[in-house]
Amino acid sequence: DAGVIQSPRHEVTEMGQEVTLRCKPISGHNSLFWYRQTMMRGLELLIYFNNNVPIDDSGMPEDRFSAKMPNASFSTLKIQPSEPRDSAVYFCASSSPGQGAKNIQYFGAGTRLSVL
Amino acid sequence: EDQVTQSPEALRLQEGESSSLNCSYTVSGLRGLFWYRQDPGKGPEFLFTLYSAGEEKEKERLKATLTKKESFLHITAPKPEDSATYLCAARMDSSYKLIFGSGTRLLVRP
Repeated sequence: DAGVIQSPRHEVTEMGQEVTLRCKPISGHNSLFWYRQTMMRGLELLIYFNNNVPIDDSGMPEDRFSAKMPNASFSTLKIQPSEPRDSAVYFCASSSPGQGAKNIQYFGAGTRLSVL
Repeated sequence: EDQVTQSPEALRLQEGESSSLNCSYTVSGLRGLFWYRQDPGKGPEFLFTLYSAGEEKEKERLKATLTKKESFLHITAPKPEDSATYLCAARMDSSYKLIFGSGTRLLVRP
């Protein structure tokens, strides 16, 4: 299996621009998670989808952030407008329903976002 | 408040020098304690899950243990390729969320 695939790997943009991050979960996984990692705050959960439905978006920092999962094999995280404080590494992770209580989350390689 | 704390923040070892990393947690109803390894520029890579106090799991030079308040990741005779950041995360009862600690940066010198 190719694992969780994220694109782009690096994104540099200017303040005020729209940014879209993409994620393809592992085939057969029905749970998808978006995280943000910074030196100050570590890994923080932004939003969680189960069977393509957003279950908990309480970690989304502001209305500027939005996430969608139109089908089981694709999700996007959008920031509009972007601000310098959004600079971070954004990770996508997925897990399988068959794991039950184990809920092992498998992470992608991340997107490093720099907002100038 | 549910919290996961890791210590030390950074650890430098000589090749072959065994040591332990600590992960203490205060969560209501632990449902699983997870260890991940993260290399620079990469996503966290799953290592172990522990579910009950007294449980132990091993993989090569790594052994993870769990008590009611903390988990340890023991590294026996480490090699330079073991250098990475090690993250632990706790999953609470009836929750999908993982609460991550801030990690321990391990450097093993040859």
